[in-house]
Amino acid sequence: KAGVTQTPRYLIKTRGQQVTLSCSPISGHRSVSWYQQTPGQGLQFLFEYFSETQRNKGNFPGRFSGRQFSNSRSEMNVSTLELGDSALYLCASSLWFRGQGSTDTQYFGPGTRLTVL
Amino acid sequence: KQEVTQIPAALSVPEGENLVLNCSFTDSAIYNLQWFRQDPGKGLTSLLLIQSSQREQTSGRLNASLDKSSGRSTLYIAASQPGDSATYLCAVTIQGGSEKLVFGKGTKLTVNP
Repeated sequence: KAGVTQTPRYLIKTRGQQVTLSCSPISGHRSVSWYQQTPGQGLQFLFEYFSETQRNKGNFPGRFSGRQFSNSRSEMNVSTLELGDSALYLCASSLWFRGQGSTDTQYFGPGTRLTVL
Repeated sequence: KQEVTQIPAALSVPEGENLVLNCSFTDSAIYNLQWFRQDPGKGLTSLLLIQSSQREQTSGRLNASLDKSSGRSTLYIAASQPGDSATYLCAVTIQGGSEKLVFGKGTKLTVNP
């Protein structure tokens, strides 16, 4: 079974531009979560989508948004890029929504390395 | 606000040594704790998940313990191998309205042949 795939793997943008990252979950998985990883802040939760609905959201500005399609694929969009948005963006999929007491394992993709110049 | 701390930030050991990685968290209101491994340029691989009602989990040479009351977890790696070299992250799933993972910044482990 194919793992979580993310495209593109590397991206270079300039300040003020916007970017869209894509994540295809493992077949049959319905939950997709997004994380930002930076050397200073570590891994931080962005948001989780399940059945095309955002279920949870981390503490990021409104410039960060996402959506999920009916086939569970998800996209993340960052508008008006800032230098501080340079990071590794990881998505993770799981079978079900990570509700209370979930034992559902998340499977992570390889990430998209975004560099903002 | 939940904070997860991992000490040390980096660790270098000779092959064959048994070692312990530490993780502490400030709020005991968690559903579970997970240990992940991250290799350079790759995503995270889940190693062990401990539910809040459990004390430990084992998988092969790995053993993770959880003491929720004291806010501590340890990952024990037996008979370390060069292939164990990676960054190890722990993360807790916090209770409350937002079911999300809060990660530590990781311990970078190097096992020298």
